[in-house]
Amino acid sequence: DIVLTQSPDSLAVSLGERATINCKSSQSVLYSSNSKNYLAWYQQKPGQPPNLLFYWASTRASGVPDRFSGSGSGTDFTLTISSLQAEDVAVYYCQQYYGTPPTFGQGTKVEIK
Amino acid sequence: EVQLVESGGGLVQPGGSLRLSCAASGFTFTDHYIDWVRQAPGKGLEWVGRTAKISNSYTSNYAASVKGRFSISRDDSKNSLYLQMNSLKTEDTAMYYCTKTPILWGQGTLVTVSS
Repeated sequence: DIVLTQSPDSLAVSLGERATINCKSSQSVLYSSNSKNYLAWYQQKPGQPPNLLFYWASTRASGVPDRFSGSGSGTDFTLTISSLQAEDVAVYYCQQYYGTPPTFGQGTKVEIK
Repeated sequence: EVQLVESGGGLVQPGGSLRLSCAASGFTFTDHYIDWVRQAPGKGLEWVGRTAKISNSYTSNYAASVKGRFSISRDDSKNSLYLQMNSLKTEDTAMYYCTKTPILWGQGTLVTVSS
């Protein structure tokens, strides 16, 4: 199985500051035939299902504010919140859907400093 | 509207059984892999199992933690997917989601295994 490791496990950022979350995969999730990275990012708030932020590593899902960005390729990926807002407090997960089983990172908790 | 709606969760005793349902609407159900993912209270996301699309003969795969106890079936006439859970353990307590990975998730249904 592909193992995804997120860092850090938690971070506290001041309002308006940048938050950066990393996701490292144990093997490449880049499919050479279509040049797509099979990597998604989710935001989850308490009592809610995961909310898709990005798929194909950097394609923003509908309704996601542009302060969120996804980047990376192969085995190393990053989710960036350029200017943290109070409503961004949540746990963030990366997921690879390159192989079966699809696997998740352990989650990163983002809080306000 | 494109959506997945889970149902069937509840309280069950250890060793018992439960069948969860996932109703799909707004898309061609037979053309997609559908996954079950669970989340134990306060924990991360764990993949449970998958049913393939019709062109892959609806092959199912399961996590090691549930293999032999859980099974997935489909009723394409009802655009529905089912997760049959047998020999339930306390560690199966979780919110269960069906997903069209990664684009679409249901709201989840809560399964509590307790005596």
